[in-house]
Amino acid sequence: QVQLTETGPDLVQLTQTLSITCTVSGFSLTSYNIQWVRQPPGKGLEWMGAMWSGGGTAYNSAFTSRLRISRDTSKSQVFLKMNSLQTDDSAKYFCARHWGPFDYWGQGVVVTVSS
Amino acid sequence: EIVLTQSPTTMAASPGEKVTITCRASSSIHFMYWYQQMSDASPKLWIHDTSKLASGVPDRFSGSGSGTSYSLTINTMEAEDAATYYCQQCCNNPPTFGSGTKLEIK
Repeated sequence: QVQLTETGPDLVQLTQTLSITCTVSGFSLTSYNIQWVRQPPGKGLEWMGAMWSGGGTAYNSAFTSRLRISRDTSKSQVFLKMNSLQTDDSAKYFCARHWGPFDYWGQGVVVTVSS
Repeated sequence: EIVLTQSPTTMAASPGEKVTITCRASSSIHFMYWYQQMSDASPKLWIHDTSKLASGVPDRFSGSGSGTSYSLTINTMEAEDAATYYCQQCCNNPPTFGSGTKLEIK
């Protein structure tokens, strides 16, 4: 069955780099896009960026200068790396499969940026 | 970027009551998607292509709309429907979400 699992740190120091891995199963990364979405505590959903099935990427302009998304198709993994973290980057980070809507989501990883 | 304005922000409904959540887009879009999010859980796709219920969604839910105006309707509210609902458009990059409607049971 389709599964997405995010793994990453629960605590990151101010100005440091966040690295999260999205491991998928039940489908191929070369057939579906993967989207990254985050949700600050008590707030709504914010699209961050995408890894297209063809290997290209797209980014929310709010993050372009400090966000990188990559993948390893042999391991069925997509990677999010964001540098220069600030306290308002504390959020739950999700990856989701995208074919039109975002039809399957991971459970998310809660990241706190600590000063 | 297409901005989605959802209303209301919060609401409470009694069991059996009809509920309507609206989502207005800043420009015309072809489809609207809706997600349900329970507390501390991941969002779940609830309605796709404006009016098609995702697998397992009760048929008391429906979606409608076109152009810049869309809505999600619950024909008869049930306790299990209490959640936050988000609209989303994907067709125009970047994908954007509405700010969410928190629906509570009275």
